[in-house]
Amino acid sequence: NAGVTQTPKFRILKIGQSMTLQCAQDMNHNYMYWYRQDPGMGLKLIYYSVGAGITDKGEVPNGYNVSRSTTEDFPLRLELAAPSQTSVYFCAGQDGQNTEAFFGQGTRLTVV
Amino acid sequence: TQLLEQSPQFLSIQEGENLTVYCNSSSVFSSLQWYRQEPGEGPVLLVTVVTGGEVKKLKRLTFQFGDARKDSSLHITAAQPGDTGLYLCAGADNQGGKLIFGQGTELSVKP
Repeated sequence: NAGVTQTPKFRILKIGQSMTLQCAQDMNHNYMYWYRQDPGMGLKLIYYSVGAGITDKGEVPNGYNVSRSTTEDFPLRLELAAPSQTSVYFCAGQDGQNTEAFFGQGTRLTVV
Repeated sequence: TQLLEQSPQFLSIQEGENLTVYCNSSSVFSSLQWYRQEPGEGPVLLVTVVTGGEVKKLKRLTFQFGDARKDSSLHITAAQPGDTGLYLCAGADNQGGKLIFGQGTELSVKP
């Protein structure tokens, strides 16, 4: 069972470069989330989606964009990478409110 | 925006000690969840509490949801080195139901 799959696992970007972090889930979850986690800290919500075609901003959306053209995929786009975006990024899927959220393994991004 | 405040942020104890972690908010949540995260991994759900005043037990871990559904606590009895990790509380906020997290409690249990 794949669950929630994130790619890549690691990436180094130069300032100003762009990239897309991929997230795919095979659990038919309606809700999907992107979080970032700085060392020793909790998860800050970047963007979320409650279903295909619907996305909304979280707590820290600046510098990021998302799309949800299918139920399965929820890519996160960084257009102009900045050192402040160095972090570990987690994607998660959830059936609905108050249910268990399932997380991917994370993508460790370094911007130099 | 609803916020979840966790305390303490860091906790270092000896094996066999008891501890309590708190998760507080000024807002009402329909439920609160507790997750545990190990280094290099994503968080994994421990428990969901739904009813005000509810108490749930998971082996040596006891979870409580406040009567007013604004706070929760996690109590660990006789902590073991295997309990080491980052403990996170989370709840569905009242604007769209998105899942938000507290800042986490980093627990270290020394043998």
